[in-house]
Amino acid sequence: SQQGEEDPQALSIQEGENATMNCSYKTSINNLQWYRQNSGRGLVHLILIRSNEREKHSGRLRVTLDTSKKSSSLLITASRAADTASYFCATGVYSGGGADGLTFGKGTHLIIQP
Amino acid sequence: SAVISQKPSRDICQRGTSLTIQCQVDSQVTMMFWYRQQPGQSLTLIATANQGSEATYESGFVIDKFPISRPNLTFSTLTVSNMSPEDSSIYLCSVGRGVASTDTQYFGPGTRLTVL
Repeated sequence: SQQGEEDPQALSIQEGENATMNCSYKTSINNLQWYRQNSGRGLVHLILIRSNEREKHSGRLRVTLDTSKKSSSLLITASRAADTASYFCATGVYSGGGADGLTFGKGTHLIIQP
Repeated sequence: SAVISQKPSRDICQRGTSLTIQCQVDSQVTMMFWYRQQPGQSLTLIATANQGSEATYESGFVIDKFPISRPNLTFSTLTVSNMSPEDSSIYLCSVGRGVASTDTQYFGPGTRLTVL
């Protein structure tokens, strides 16, 4: 069952502005991953943050994780038209036999206006 | 990272037929997963496929409807059986290396299935 909830569900901003997306989840996790999907195609992995990490950066991306609030945020700085896509958070749990499949949030559809 | 290919990339099928989707990885991986993405929705895990053992299905998915094979460490198939229009979705495979805290999962390009 899905445990992630993203907000907002849709976000439209001007090129050059920053975009922030939030994700909440319900159970304990080992890691949280963010993915991008363009127009119903395959998912592109953006960043993984482990449960013992609080913040991680990759280029124009900044991810935070607050395990006490069971929430994460993805910040995209200096947005570009090419950032237009759907963004999903996904939580990973380790059950003892190996990493389980991911549980995905509902996603945020981001539109960058030129 | 891993390079993952899926065949077919898309298909249009008739109600009552079956379709087998192939997933090929460029390196050996422990864990392979199959997901479904219904139109306008997020991804839902169908099953976990480990080589040498039976696939493990999530609640709401059964082997008779979605049989899975995992003959080796680089390949898996998912069959969508006795299809109905409700099966119209994108089906994606993903791979992971099973190291829990740092296990990045990489996804194939997906198979877009339309059932008429």
